[in-house]
Amino acid sequence: DGGITQSPKYLFRKEGQNVTLSCEQNLNHDAMYWYRQDPGQGLRLIYYSQIVNDFQKGDIAEGYSVSREKKESFPLTVTSAQKNPTAFYLCASSLQMTGMAKNIQYFGAGTRLSVL
Amino acid sequence: AQSVTQLGSHVSVSEGALVLLRCNYSSSVPPYLFWYVQYPNQGLQLLLKYTSAATLVKGINGFEAEFKKSETSFHLTKPSAHMSDAAEYFCAVSDWTGNQFYFGTGTSLTVIP
Repeated sequence: DGGITQSPKYLFRKEGQNVTLSCEQNLNHDAMYWYRQDPGQGLRLIYYSQIVNDFQKGDIAEGYSVSREKKESFPLTVTSAQKNPTAFYLCASSLQMTGMAKNIQYFGAGTRLSVL
Repeated sequence: AQSVTQLGSHVSVSEGALVLLRCNYSSSVPPYLFWYVQYPNQGLQLLLKYTSAATLVKGINGFEAEFKKSETSFHLTKPSAHMSDAAEYFCAVSDWTGNQFYFGTGTSLTVIP
């Protein structure tokens, strides 16, 4: 089955530690996205990538980093500079066909990150 | 920039009653509009989407939404609520490029037996 796989489902971070959240998709989608979800705030865009080896900052990129070395993979690193990392992180992907009606975002099941 | 406003962060309905979740968007050009549903500790699932083909859009699980350009609204409805409809619902908008999506803050639906 095609889809988006996020791992791990739960992750704990110690103070000063960098942690990496995995996102893999086998939908052959061009674009991938990372969102942060906090209670009552909806989804906020962290980073997105439209093609391999290229990515753009979203609204809340500070304290996070990403890479896009392969089309199917878009890992997110939460660095020690992110002082309030506790949240639910969602990865999404979509086709990139400008002006077409296929620009639907499909989501993974999420990773819940907590600070020890 | 695009934006979406969902009125009411919490909505409670009785089982069998009408569900109405409100969404208003701001856009200078006809957008693409979406409703997603999220169950606890899960990702978002697409309920339905508006892409200018028809103003009344039918989605999964008996939900539908009507695009009203004059009111810049895209409210989600279901004639009869079921216990399994209890979840968080998000309205989203993208521009014609589809490069970015903008999500509302969500509405938590509670269904009372």
